[in-house]
Order: sequence, then structure tokens, then C-alpha cells
Amino acid sequence: GAGVSQSPRYKVAKRGQDVALRCDPISGHVSLFWYQQALGQGPEFLTYFQNEAQLDKSGLPSDRFFAERPEGSVSTLKIQRTQQEDSAVYLCASSLGSAGVYSSDTQYFGPGTRLTVL
Amino acid sequence: EDQVTQSPEALRLQEGESSSLNCSYTVSGLRGLFWYRQDPGKGPEFLFTLYSAGEEKEKERLKATLTKKESFLHITAPKPEDSATYLCAVQAAGGSYIPTFGRGTSLIVHP
Repeated sequence: GAGVSQSPRYKVAKRGQDVALRCDPISGHVSLFWYQQALGQGPEFLTYFQNEAQLDKSGLPSDRFFAERPEGSVSTLKIQRTQQEDSAVYLCASSLGSAGVYSSDTQYFGPGTRLTVL
Repeated sequence: EDQVTQSPEALRLQEGESSSLNCSYTVSGLRGLFWYRQDPGKGPEFLFTLYSAGEEKEKERLKATLTKKESFLHITAPKPEDSATYLCAVQAAGGSYIPTFGRGTSLIVHP
């Protein structure tokens, strides 16, 4: 199928290590979102890309979190100097159009990457 | 601040026992309300989008309805394969496009 894919599916890191999480959105989708989902919680917004432009990073919890989408397709979420509180599932979602004030495009989610920081 | 509250947190049903899940929301104006299904170890799977009070949408054993303050996800004659966490999310009109998610309802359907 041509859904959203994420890799790795599971990542175990020692505290202080850097990690990189990859997202392959649905081909042709303009918008890409990253979310963080803690156990028993709903997804919480981290950042949004419209093509290669990062238009919103208001949800990133600290400056240790960095995301990029250099060619407007694949995106990488990088977490530097991981801490135990970073342990969560990181979800990527894409949608066809540009997110905006008048848009309510459906977001299609990937399977997520479960990050465990020891 | 937009708020989404889902109830109950967990629900156990016998196969065939119909029930409803609730999503109460507070937004300055609703652009869209979304229902997702999430299976363990997987990402949320889109089910429905509702835009205005009175709107209803159906898919197999699921029917979603919307009022000005809440949405219901009705499950008719559920089967064990309907077991999952059901998430509700809202987008506010005239403001951020970022959806606010509830914590979900964990549904278990026993055979």
C-alpha cells in the first residue's frame, strides 16, 4: 500500500544519545505533521511542514528537538541528548492539501516509532 | 483553549451488545471533528469527519453523530475485531489548524 511509513518502528536509546526518526509521507501530500503520544494519551502536536517549509514548530518541547523535510517529501525528527521524559511514540501524519485557516484535510497517520530512553 | 473529553475511558462489551462512545468538546467555533481508531502498536486510522451539528456518517457497524457540544460514536452489534482505542479530535474555526485530541476510549469486545 501507499500509506505513511516510519522507521525505525522501535528505538532504544541511552540517556544522552542522539536519535533520528524517519517519516515517508503519502506521495504527493503537501502537509506533514509530527506528533508525540504518551501512553494512555492522545497525540500531541509537535511541528508542521508545508512542502519543505517548517511553518509551525510551536509544539516542540525543547531545543533538543529538531525536524526537517529538505525536499518536501521525507522528513526526519531528530532528538539530541535524549532524556527519559522523551520516551513516547512519535507519530507522523500527512495530508493532501495545505493546512490553513480554511482547511480541514484528513490526516493519515503512520505506524509510529516507539522511543524508549533508558 | 480547545478541550476534548472522551468518555468512558474504557468500555467492555459482549459481542452484539450495542453502545455509544462520547466526545465532548469546547472550541471557539468548530471547523471539523474527527474520529480515529487506533489499534495497539499502530497509528490512528481515520474513520469520519463531521463538520456541523446534525450531521451523521456511517461505516459498517459505526455511526458518528454531532451536536454543538458533543459527538457520539455508536457501535451497533459490535464484533471482537472492533476492539481498539477510539480517538476524537477537533479543529477550531478561524484559528489554528492543529487538531486537539482527546485521550481516547479503549473498547474491548468479548466473543
